[in-house]
Amino acid sequence: AQKITQTQPGMFVQEKEAVTLDCTYDTSDPSYGLFWYKQPSSGEMIFLIYQGSYDQQNATEGRYSLNFQKARKSANLVISASQLGDSAMYFCAMREGLGWNRDDKIIFGKGTRLHILP
Amino acid sequence: DGGITQSPKYLFRKEGQNVTLSCEQNLNHDAMYWYRQDPGQGLRLIYYSQIVNDFQKGDIAEGYSVSREKKESFPLTVTSAQKNPTAFYLCASSNWGTNTGELFFGEGSRLTVL
Repeated sequence: AQKITQTQPGMFVQEKEAVTLDCTYDTSDPSYGLFWYKQPSSGEMIFLIYQGSYDQQNATEGRYSLNFQKARKSANLVISASQLGDSAMYFCAMREGLGWNRDDKIIFGKGTRLHILP
Repeated sequence: DGGITQSPKYLFRKEGQNVTLSCEQNLNHDAMYWYRQDPGQGLRLIYYSQIVNDFQKGDIAEGYSVSREKKESFPLTVTSAQKNPTAFYLCASSNWGTNTGELFFGEGSRLTVL
């Protein structure tokens, strides 16, 4: 069963508008972490933001914020005031566990390709 | 500079040949990972290792092998048993001790089977 679901294969957004990229996850582990990565056409993976399962507040990093709704198992990425340079693939990822157990791993969703229009 | 180095960046292989992709990190990270990326499939986990001399199969380990003899090195061998090896391969590492434990990625290796 897919544990990370990104339902938007592609999105087109006008420059300067806010955009929300959807991510839902599935886990029975009470300890987990959620990540968002950006992949430009160059192929590099850029870490954007992290949310821990015990964090009380939604994570924010500059123009990026994570809308964490634990009961709904949702971790949407919000990009405010989008820029042309935001055009890229965006991946949601999850780590079950705290990271140091032998079985702890990080798995990814299929991604959303975001196009920012001038 | 600290980081993860993958080599080669591009690799061409004939069917039936094994090929080894190199991944070296100087970040002193404990955990290392190999992912495969295909269009529309996202990143799929091949193998991962939390500690030297130990590794775990990911979701698509068939046709691949790894070793973790040194903390800084985690080479991936794509064997002839892998039916569709043409893909973009990404190596990553993480440090348990940080607050987030996020993955740091190499630049990737693009393998094409002719």
